[in-house]
Amino acid sequence: GAVVSQHPSRVICKSGTSVKIECRSLDFQATTMFWYRQFPKQSLMLMATSNEGSKATYEQGVEKDKFLINHASLTLSTLTVTSAHPEDSSFYICSARAGPWRDEQYFGPGTRLTVT
Amino acid sequence: AQKVTQAQTEISVVEKEDVTLDCVYETRDTTYYLFWYKQPPSGELVFLIRRNSFDEQNEISGRYSWNFQKSTSSFNFTITASQVVDSAVYFCALSEVELTGGGNKLTFGTGTQLKVEL
Repeated sequence: GAVVSQHPSRVICKSGTSVKIECRSLDFQATTMFWYRQFPKQSLMLMATSNEGSKATYEQGVEKDKFLINHASLTLSTLTVTSAHPEDSSFYICSARAGPWRDEQYFGPGTRLTVT
Repeated sequence: AQKVTQAQTEISVVEKEDVTLDCVYETRDTTYYLFWYKQPPSGELVFLIRRNSFDEQNEISGRYSWNFQKSTSSFNFTITASQVVDSAVYFCALSEVELTGGGNKLTFGTGTQLKVEL
């Protein structure tokens, strides 16, 4: 149980275009989802926390207008990278938590974004 | 602010050697969770262990063991008789316990790249 999927696993896009990444909890309802970014050989940095039905909370330094997060249902959150630039190329990982009092986060397999 | 330090950037060992990965953390919270994750080359994070701040008992799971010492704010991870398949990046992480139910953000260390060679 507690499986989180991400789609796509890899995406290459041209500079200036937008890319949407989906994060789904397959066998549980996720009231909270988290989005992380990981540059090569670096740690995971939390970008934003997303609670179902409300606006995402962004970490300091993360542009909310560039990284649009939608958590419209208890099993799906999406991250849209708008007007992508080469410096947005990274590994994006989502995680999901089953409920407000559940501490365990289940991670998706990640999406590797390359902007050319 | 929370902080996790993994001072070892890269460790190389020969198969069957024991290896310890260090993790030191900082937090003002009295209640928190500590985690270890494994990230193989495929990129997917593999959960290894979670320990809450009230439980200082050491834990052993097969070839893996963890030493939690609150007095030194350390949560070290030892792999006994390492194998090539253990080669990966290992992350230590710290989470607050969000009593209102809305937080639990994870703060990750910078990771330790473990290379196990034949």
